[in-house]
Amino acid sequence: SSELTQDPAVSVALGQTVRITCQGDSLRSSYANWYQQKPGQAPVLVIYGKTNRPSGIPDRFSGSSSGNTASLTITGAQPEDEADYYCNSRDRDSSGDHRHYVFGTGTRVTVL
Amino acid sequence: QVQLQESGPGLVKPSQTLSLTCSVSGGSISSAGYYWTWIRQHPGKGLEWIGYIYYSGDTYYSPSLKSRVSISLDTSKNQFSLKLSSVTAADTAVYYCARKWYYDALTGRGAFDYWGQGTLVTVSS
Repeated sequence: SSELTQDPAVSVALGQTVRITCQGDSLRSSYANWYQQKPGQAPVLVIYGKTNRPSGIPDRFSGSSSGNTASLTITGAQPEDEADYYCNSRDRDSSGDHRHYVFGTGTRVTVL
Repeated sequence: QVQLQESGPGLVKPSQTLSLTCSVSGGSISSAGYYWTWIRQHPGKGLEWIGYIYYSGDTYYSPSLKSRVSISLDTSKNQFSLKLSSVTAADTAVYYCARKWYYDALTGRGAFDYWGQGTLVTVSS
């Protein structure tokens, strides 16, 4: 199985834009999902299928992808966006079965 | 609104079997299109997918845990369960149950759209 690599931490000024990236071979053939996790809480799905937002997720969250890299962009970051963010995608195991899932290493976003 | 809730012992001795149950409300685990999933998070670390089960009973496990993991369904109680055998301190983690939703049934692409609050399991003698 492959890995998904994220920058450990990024910071963004209040109201500014931040992009979080996720790199891995599995992203060449599978779309990325993104999850937000605040301290002591379960993760929340914020982007699925590369660019789609679940109901209730603000439109300042957007997703994109190119090659082996997926990105989550927060446009106009708010204090409540301070959290850990994880990407996730399907992956293939050694037999070629792609029902395996993998998570990224996580990025801590600080809103200044 | 689907809700998931984990339950089980918070302390397990080394070499024993960790057993957790996830109770689902607001939806049936017998519905097509959803895989019922276990994910864990080691203290201060990232997320690790453990495996999932379909309403038909089909299962798929992480290759790294496959030899020790079993996930099962109890449709009468609308619950699914995790068993992890021969645990060590390295299995100490917060364990989450979650629902994998197929947003694209044709391609099999999915995402984990509902999660339980998580339960900390510590492996220690």
